[in-house]
Amino acid sequence: QQQVKQSPQSLIVQKGGISIINCAYENTAFDYFPWYQQFPGKGPALLIAIRPDVSEKKEGRFTISFNKSAKQFSLHIMDSQPGDSATYFCAASIFGGATNKLIFGTGTLLAVQP
Amino acid sequence: DTAVSQTPKYLVTQMGNDKSIKCEQNLGHDTMYWYKQDSKKFLKIMFSYNNKELIINETVPNRFSPKSPDKAHLNLHINSLELGDSAVYFCASSQPGFNRDTGELFFGEGSRLTVL
Repeated sequence: QQQVKQSPQSLIVQKGGISIINCAYENTAFDYFPWYQQFPGKGPALLIAIRPDVSEKKEGRFTISFNKSAKQFSLHIMDSQPGDSATYFCAASIFGGATNKLIFGTGTLLAVQP
Repeated sequence: DTAVSQTPKYLVTQMGNDKSIKCEQNLGHDTMYWYKQDSKKFLKIMFSYNNKELIINETVPNRFSPKSPDKAHLNLHINSLELGDSAVYFCASSQPGFNRDTGELFFGEGSRLTVL
């Protein structure tokens, strides 16, 4: 019940295309759903996050779509650029409290071809 | 200037040795974490401390012992290293709370441990 399933494992997109990464969770107590971006040799960094009181959140070219009834959420990267090539992780946690225990998905390696 | 800094960045050692990784954060956060990233890039939480108090211990072998001398530092000591301990270890920090702006984990650049 603590798992977060992520797909696809890898993704190749042409420059200017749309990248879509999907995640699903089981634990209905989760109420915080961030996406992290990791470049080689670096630590993960927060890209965008959503709480379940909204179905969509957009920040620039990045959008999270959230479907509470299906227990699924996805990341859409519009107008994908070569600089977006990185590993993307979805995560989930129970928000608030003394600690934020993020349960990460298995990661998606995105390659944007010029 | 680095928000979360870890040392060393690379560590190569023999099986059976003991090693430590140090972490410091200058963000003023109350909570710090250790995550392990394996060769398949899977990220798994190991420990979490809040104001020097252990909050999360995710069924990590006793050979791993975290120590938090103060809320800005969280070190990880590993005894009797095994081949399976080879991984990248990430330190992170966050400021807990219920505000919509809290929740973000700030990660260090990682410490790559190779056990031969």
